Amino acid sequence: AQTVTQSQPEMSVQEAETVTLSCTYDTSESDYYLFWYKQPPSRQMILVIRQEAYKQQNATENRFSVNFQKAAKSFSLKISDSQLGDAAMYFCAYRSARSGNTPLVFGKGTRLSVIA
Amino acid sequence: EPEVTQTPSHQVTQMGQEVILRCVPISNHLYFYWYRQILGQKVEFLVSFYNNEISEKSEIFDDQFSVERPDGSNFTLKIRSTKLEDSAMYFCASSLFSGNTIYFGEGSWLTVV
Repeated sequence: AQTVTQSQPEMSVQEAETVTLSCTYDTSESDYYLFWYKQPPSRQMILVIRQEAYKQQNATENRFSVNFQKAAKSFSLKISDSQLGDAAMYFCAYRSARSGNTPLVFGKGTRLSVIA
Repeated sequence: EPEVTQTPSHQVTQMGQEVILRCVPISNHLYFYWYRQILGQKVEFLVSFYNNEISEKSEIFDDQFSVERPDGSNFTLKIRSTKLEDSAMYFCASSLFSGNTIYFGEGSWLTVV
């Protein structure tokens, strides 16, 4: 079974600075998807960014980018120019690309605080 | 932008009572899911649903849980006889295809007393 590990329970960053959240995963599959979801205090789950494992190029979405290292099974999220609104719980998630309705497997999350 | 909507946003129920949580997935999506998150813990998969039947379910999804798509728009999760440990945020989600991004609703917070 696949597992996702987020080794940083809490992180903090100064406003306008850059922060990197770590995520590693364990799988025997070669084709899969990786995601970062943001959960603000409202507890809604909001998609931040998505990466297909077959793509070598790292995904970027405005101030958010990932460092995807397939061989190392690492998928970190970099937030540039941090804003107060970025304060939230961030979850890394894995999804198999095998046929069928495969579920997301989540890590335990990293709580990010942004300091003004 | 289309979104997944869930009702109620918060429900308090007595232990042993039946609860139905409702969801309206994004209209053209074909795959539907329920996840739950106990306070302070990670999000856990409960069940996935496609073509009017369950595709996959986790160990959590035991006989007291059921899902249904009673019409063309709603997707419901029923808990037959609630227990204290069922207190959690329940997220409905949907995706267009099986490999696509899964979009979540805002959650239904269930408190069992």
